[in-house]
Amino acid sequence: DQQVKQNSPSLSVQEGRISILNCDYTNSMFDYFLWYKKYPAEGPTFLISISSIKDKNEDGRFTVFLNKSAKHLSLHIVPSQPGDSAVYFCAASANSGGSNYKLTFGKGTLLTVNP
Amino acid sequence: DGGITQSPKYLFRKEGQNVTLSCEQNLNHDAMYWYRQDPGQGLRLIYYSQIVNDFQKGDIAEGYSVSREKKESFPLTVTSAQKNPTAFYLCASRGGNPGNTIYFGEGSWLTVV
Repeated sequence: DQQVKQNSPSLSVQEGRISILNCDYTNSMFDYFLWYKKYPAEGPTFLISISSIKDKNEDGRFTVFLNKSAKHLSLHIVPSQPGDSAVYFCAASANSGGSNYKLTFGKGTLLTVNP
Repeated sequence: DGGITQSPKYLFRKEGQNVTLSCEQNLNHDAMYWYRQDPGQGLRLIYYSQIVNDFQKGDIAEGYSVSREKKESFPLTVTSAQKNPTAFYLCASRGGNPGNTIYFGEGSWLTVV
């Protein structure tokens, strides 16, 4: 049973436009969410996170929105740049700050930003 | 430089052989993790350790073993019992403020022929 779902395997946008990557989750116990960016044959790089007590967190060009009632979060990148082209993973945890902390990942969305 | 170091980056082994992947971190993080990535798949948790001399199975622990004798080190052994060992393996550790961010190493490619 996939608890974190990224239903779009790929997304293509034009440089300068907004990229919106979506993520849905099923486990109502998840209370902390993260987005990672990954290039081929490299480890994922942490981008931005959000606690379930918030509905928005912003860091430069990256903004994450959380809709708890819909069990949905999204990552907005604006403006998109060709260097943003990578696979983006959504991850969630049910025990933020606790001793049994671990992340459950979605399958990722390949973002391509065209010049 | 502070970070998570995985070695080797690429590893080839014959079927039936055990192989150990190294993971070292100098971030002073208590918790360490091993994930596996297959093509078109997300990251799946193999084992994790919250503290030295303690570790727990993740979602796909069968065919793997780990040890955590030192805070800095969390080696993963892929045994001959693992049916599909060819994959990209990622080591990670947990830290930051408030301590909910997991940071990854560069990964190790294991190919079993």
